[in-house]
Amino acid sequence: RKEVEQDPGPFNVPEGATVAFNCTYSNSASQSFFWYRQDCRKEPKLLMSVYSSGNEDGRFTAQLNRASQYISLLIRDSKLSDSATYLCVVTSTGTASKLTFGTGTRLQVTL
Amino acid sequence: NAGVTQTPKFRILKIGQSMTLQCTQDMNHNYMYWYRQDPGMGLKLIYYSVGAGITDKGEVPNGYNVSRSTTEDFPLRLELAAPSQTSVYFCASRGQGTHEQFFGPGTRLTVL
Repeated sequence: RKEVEQDPGPFNVPEGATVAFNCTYSNSASQSFFWYRQDCRKEPKLLMSVYSSGNEDGRFTAQLNRASQYISLLIRDSKLSDSATYLCVVTSTGTASKLTFGTGTRLQVTL
Repeated sequence: NAGVTQTPKFRILKIGQSMTLQCTQDMNHNYMYWYRQDPGMGLKLIYYSVGAGITDKGEVPNGYNVSRSTTEDFPLRLELAAPSQTSVYFCASRGQGTHEQFFGPGTRLTVL
């Protein structure tokens, strides 16, 4: 089983739609959780951290369910500029804070 | 503040050749990482460093070597390049007390 699993998509949605991505992780000792965004042929960039209580940043909402080892990202009112690959990322224990990446979910927002 | 810079951007190698991928950061970060990303795959950790003079293997270290003589630089060395090393290589760094990693723009390497 992969450490971090995501549906690769692509998710094709019209502008203004709401879309949700899910991610599961296998290591129950994972400590921190993130969503990174990666544009085509570019480097990953941090989109947002994910907290147990759930957190929101504008049109983006992230949720964590530790009991089910499940992370989600909700995007409301999708924009063309949201088209990208969204990477689910978890950290291992230890001081090096190594990140484990999912393979990513591709989102294409269309007119 | 340039952040994390990587050179070269692109490179084509022949089987058996060697090269060094350069990575420099100007944020005074202690932690630095090298990843590779194959098409349709997640990033895999090759090597990492928690400070100058300290390096350790990641998930996929075979065929690579690193050094960390300064805080700023973390070069990745490929000896005896193989087609399986065709990939996009990303360097990243992070500061103390945060999990956020900052990535360089990547080096696209093809081994023929």
